[in-house]
Amino acid sequence: NFMLTQPHSVSESPGKTVTISCTGSSGSIGSNFVQWYQQRPGSAPTTVIYENNHRPSGVPDRFSGSIDRSSNSASLTISGLKTEDEADYYCQSYDTSNHVVFGGGTQLTVL
Amino acid sequence: QVQLVQSGAEVKKPGASVKVSCKASGYTFSNYAIHWVRQAPGQRLEWMGWINGGNGNTKYSQKFQGRVTITRDTSASTAYMELSSLRSEDMALYYCVRGYCLSTTCFFGDDPWGQGTLVTVSS
Repeated sequence: NFMLTQPHSVSESPGKTVTISCTGSSGSIGSNFVQWYQQRPGSAPTTVIYENNHRPSGVPDRFSGSIDRSSNSASLTISGLKTEDEADYYCQSYDTSNHVVFGGGTQLTVL
Repeated sequence: QVQLVQSGAEVKKPGASVKVSCKASGYTFSNYAIHWVRQAPGQRLEWMGWINGGNGNTKYSQKFQGRVTITRDTSASTAYMELSSLRSEDMALYYCVRGYCLSTTCFFGDDPWGQGTLVTVSS
């Protein structure tokens, strides 16, 4: 079964840059689109990156997504960290049968 | 604006079924898909399946195959997710999410999520 692995937690200071990785267990993560979702406590997830590197309107350009085929991984980078960015972040893609797969989530602490 | 509004919280006994609705507004319902995703307390997001709002085709996660049924009523711009044979592990927040379809498969994109419906399973 295809799985996406994320670090359990990351932390960084306000104003700094943080990168959250999402590694595929097999195959090529670049063969299907990757999405990233932000989930604040008590709220529904919202999309911050779709189709690998596109930002929905309203998402600041401090958020960016990328794919590294050599490591079979996707990354979400948040620059100029703000305390409001503190949340759980989930990556999502598809397996070879186009079933949806979510990563385990990464808790971002901005301290 | 595009909005998905879900039905209210449910409390069910083990072995029962639950049916959650997701009413869409602000777009043409039949032009998009609806995915269902659940999240147990403190757990990761878990995809359950999708329905093509236009032709009604469905695809389910193997984990829920046989227990979940996703339907839609285009006249009401509403999708439904029914989960049967409920057990304590099914206690979770259930979300609907708009998606898009290409050929025979539906995907996630730049799309809104519903507010979530809490399903409690307790005897």
